[in-house]
This record gives sequence, C-alpha cells and structure tokens, in this order.
Amino acid sequence: DTGVSQDPRHKITKRGQNVTFRCDPISEHNRLYWYRQTLGQGPEFLTYFQNEAQLEKSRLLSDRFSAERPKGSFSTLEIQRTEQGDSAMYLCASSFWRTPYEQYFGPGTRLTVT
Amino acid sequence: ELKVEQNPLFLSMQEGKNYTIYCNYSTTSDRLYWYRQDPGKSLESLFVLLSNGAVKQEGRLMASLDTKARLSTLHITAAVHDLSATYFCAVDPVIQGAQKLVFGQGTRLTINP
Repeated sequence: DTGVSQDPRHKITKRGQNVTFRCDPISEHNRLYWYRQTLGQGPEFLTYFQNEAQLEKSRLLSDRFSAERPKGSFSTLEIQRTEQGDSAMYLCASSFWRTPYEQYFGPGTRLTVT
Repeated sequence: ELKVEQNPLFLSMQEGKNYTIYCNYSTTSDRLYWYRQDPGKSLESLFVLLSNGAVKQEGRLMASLDTKARLSTLHITAAVHDLSATYFCAVDPVIQGAQKLVFGQGTRLTINP
C-alpha cells in the first residue's frame, strides 16, 4: 500500500463555484479525518468518520461543507458556493482502530479561490 | 477549549548547534505528537508520546513529554541542513473516540551551513 492519496492535488476555482475533493485512505484503516490548513498555520480538525459513519464535525464546517464516506472506504469533501476564505490546504488522514493515535496524512489538496 | 502553543515560531540556527522547541498545551492530555512538514508537502509523523515522562529519539531529534507541566520539548542535536522544515506539535484532547488533533502554530526551522 502506498499510503493515503488525495485528488486533485491542486484546484483553482472561481468564487461561487462548487468543488469536490477525494481521499483514499490506507486500506483497512477504518478511521478517516479531514483537516484544513491555512498558510502559516497548523492544521485544524474538520470532521471524522469511523467506517461510513460521520461521528464528529467541527464548528468550522459550515453548511456549505459536506463530507461523505459512503462505503467506508474513500471519502469526499464538497464545498458549495466557494468563498475566498476557503482557500487552504485540505488534508486527509486515516488510522487503524487498533492504533488510533497513529494518523497517516495524505499529500493534501491545495484549493485557491479567485 | 484546548490551546497548543509552540515557542519559538521561527528559528534560524547554524549547523552543528543544539536547540530546543517547546510545546505548551492548556488542558490535560496524555498524548502528544510531533510532525514535520516540508514546504508544499504533507505532514510526516516524527514521534508519538503516550505517557508522562515519555522520551523518544530518532537520529538528531529527541522528544519528551511532561504531562504535569503540560509541556513537550523537541531537542535538536548537532543540527544539519536536512532538518530545515516546519515542526508541529499536536495534542489529542480526547481519551476515547476520535483522535481529533489540535495543532500548534508550527516552528519554522532554518539551518544554515
């Protein structure tokens, strides 16, 4: 297995457009996390899945954001009506239930909203 | 609300020197993580510290955790240029359930020849 993968790696969009990102976790990792990192800051937790269930969402996740993990494998993060403040690196991480403290991060999707 | 603060935020040092990065956090936690991030790249796990007094070493880096003082340190010994990166500490505020990490602001380390 080559680790957590994310697609696309870069996305440039105009304000008001919708975007969707995909994350493929390490196989057999049942926990999946989304974080957002703005320039010069540490990552901030957005949401968390255990298998297909979304168990927790940060208040950072406004109504314009939605995340899914339909079959407990890959996950998607959609942002509707993007705003310039959404420009950031979106990081996905996964972990195995037996070692939940070992989160493996993907390469991230860098979003630029113009 | 859990706060994680790193000190210093920027550090420029010469090769061969020793230095320490400090990570303070505001609420009780027994789990502290250190990550490295190169420009434009994702996070690479360095250390996972899971108990008071934990000490781990890898090459020129050594991390320790004092849960009573709510303090972790990352010590760099005889720095080399390849260690130039941004280093983040993160705390896991939840004993059970989601490990939703709370990160510090990061310490941008530049090592000059």
